[in-house]
Amino acid sequence: KAGVTQTPRYLIKTRGQQVTLSCSPISGHRSVSWYQQTPGQGLQFLFEYFSETQRNKGNFPGRFSGRQFSNSRSEMNVSTLELGDSALYLCASRPPSGNTIYFGEGSWLTVV
Amino acid sequence: AQKVTQAQTEISVVEKEDVTLDCVYETRDTTYYLFWYKQPPSGELVFLIRRNSFDEQNEISGRYSWNFQKSTSSFNFTITASQVVDSAVYFCALSEAGLSGTYKYIFGTGTRLKVLA
Repeated sequence: KAGVTQTPRYLIKTRGQQVTLSCSPISGHRSVSWYQQTPGQGLQFLFEYFSETQRNKGNFPGRFSGRQFSNSRSEMNVSTLELGDSALYLCASRPPSGNTIYFGEGSWLTVV
Repeated sequence: AQKVTQAQTEISVVEKEDVTLDCVYETRDTTYYLFWYKQPPSGELVFLIRRNSFDEQNEISGRYSWNFQKSTSSFNFTITASQVVDSAVYFCALSEAGLSGTYKYIFGTGTRLKVLA
């Protein structure tokens, strides 16, 4: 069974640009959540989607947005990138029953 | 307020030593779940174990064991006979049921374990 797949794995962007990250959950999982991991702030929750609806949102500015498609795949977008957005962005999916979340390998974003 | 504390920032041990990673949590809920994840250098957080608040039975799985004590709000993780491949960052996490079937996950700051050959 394939795990959570995230693309791209690595990317470098310039300040002011925008970026879109993609996440394909484990087959059968309909809940997808996103986390930002930085050395200073640790793992911080961004948002959670279920059945194409945002169910939960962390404390991040409006530049961070996401969406989920009918096939449960999810994308997150960061607009007007800042140097502080450099981080590992992790996607996780959860099965319909149970609350264990399973993570992908993440997308390493560097903003220069 | 919910909180997960991993006081140990980094631990170094020599291969074959036993090592215990500490986790202390705070929650007002009576129903909650605790997790341990391992994060190797590749970045992916690998799920290791989940326990719910009603199950204080400790568990052993191979070289791993977990000690859950509600009285002290602790959920510690022990690796017996550590190996170099155990080198990673280990995260403890707390989950509570939110609204509409959602769950909130709070992660500790992680403990970096270095196992030296």
